Amino acid sequence: ETGVTQTPRHLVMGMTNKKSLKCEQHLGHNAMYWYKQSAKKPLELMFVYNFKEQTENNSVPSRFSPECPNSSHLFLHLHTLQPEDSALYLCASSQVYSGDTQYFGPGTRLTVL
Amino acid sequence: GQQLNQSPQSMFIQEGEDVSMNCTSSSIFNTWLWYKQDPGEGPVLLIALYKAGELTSNGRLTAQFGITRKDSFLNISASIPSDVGIYFCAGQLEGQTGANNLFFGTGTRLTVIP
Repeated sequence: ETGVTQTPRHLVMGMTNKKSLKCEQHLGHNAMYWYKQSAKKPLELMFVYNFKEQTENNSVPSRFSPECPNSSHLFLHLHTLQPEDSALYLCASSQVYSGDTQYFGPGTRLTVL
Repeated sequence: GQQLNQSPQSMFIQEGEDVSMNCTSSSIFNTWLWYKQDPGEGPVLLIALYKAGELTSNGRLTAQFGITRKDSFLNISASIPSDVGIYFCAGQLEGQTGANNLFFGTGTRLTVIP
């Protein structure tokens, strides 16, 4: 039990669909992150939220839209995705000033048809 | 972006054997982390290192922060089947803070043959 949960665990969607990924952390952290994990590539940081404010957006296409309503919840809204967006999407959390020690959720395996 | 070279990319070992893997970079890091990812799960933090030369153990796992601050090593002693998974190194650049300065290696896939 890592204290970070993600739903759904698996998602298959068409390119015209709109879906959302959800992350919740139960660790009392105040920073949350979205990563993309593709086969044989390093983890790619997508978004960072500190105290609910977005502090990083690593040139992520606008078809990915994050939302952080509070320090415990993080969403990733998806629309008009491409097949190359198929990957494992990982959420992580940490204390703001310990951004190196991040705790990951189990991920959502996304397949875009 | 910053590149961490992790080797080997994969390992096949017999149960009971010891395992060594490493992570190197051309840049100086002030933090090294080692994660393990089981199939279908997210990475789990195993060991965190914050000082050059630091040697830290977690059960059968031992990790070291290289003296040059450009590398780190992870050793697993007396491997068991549940050690199977992908091991990732991650490092934070010297003088930097925040998640945007945490870089991950490509992972070492470990297979343990009973």
